[in-house]
Amino acid sequence: DAGITQSPRHKVTETGTPVTLRCHQTENHRYMYWYRQDPGHGLRLIHYSYGVKDTDKGEVSDGYSVSRSKTEDFLLTLESATSSQTSVYFCAISDPSKSGTTSYNEQFFGPGTRLTVL
Amino acid sequence: KQEVTQIPAALSVPEGENLVLNCSFTDSAIYNLQWFRQDPGKGLTSLLLIQSSQREQTSGRLNASLDKSSGRSTLYIAASQPGDSATYLCAVPSGGSYIPTFGRGTSLIVHP
Repeated sequence: DAGITQSPRHKVTETGTPVTLRCHQTENHRYMYWYRQDPGHGLRLIHYSYGVKDTDKGEVSDGYSVSRSKTEDFLLTLESATSSQTSVYFCAISDPSKSGTTSYNEQFFGPGTRLTVL
Repeated sequence: KQEVTQIPAALSVPEGENLVLNCSFTDSAIYNLQWFRQDPGKGLTSLLLIQSSQREQTSGRLNASLDKSSGRSTLYIAASQPGDSATYLCAVPSGGSYIPTFGRGTSLIVHP
């Protein structure tokens, strides 16, 4: 299994408080991603990073910010948590590669963080 | 924007059956397609990745095929077992991008 850890694994917080989730990898992969998974919506991309200090928005980025100051760590911050941000959050990593002339990008996922905002 | 559809959404079968799960996508200019398994309350586990130049990949009782021209992939599970019960997701990037879009998944139950 790819070396990906997420912390905390569970968190309960109150509306309006800031929350930071951490993803840590030991694989030296260039790309890191944050997703949220909700019933009826599937897996949706929040933000991703393609290198240290290089990040971009996904389809559901409003209310979230990210930072990546080291290759191995990718932080997701909810500046002021709302009940609509109650979800399971997954981190993923990948390192686009080449096989001959063909490029590919295989993702590996962390165990997830269950966040409840009351 | 890539759109990924998985059919059926749910499947319940007796042990021993051979299964086919379907994944269709709208943008065929892709680098690869990846199949995942997710057990309840757990993260996603990578099962198979098919590169754009490949037609199929096999791992044990699993075989995944890719037809880029028609925008389809199938995951074939041979001789299903109760331990295969899980949700299966496919992920496909948009043309020219490495960033995948996920289907909603197929929830599989294999009963003894």
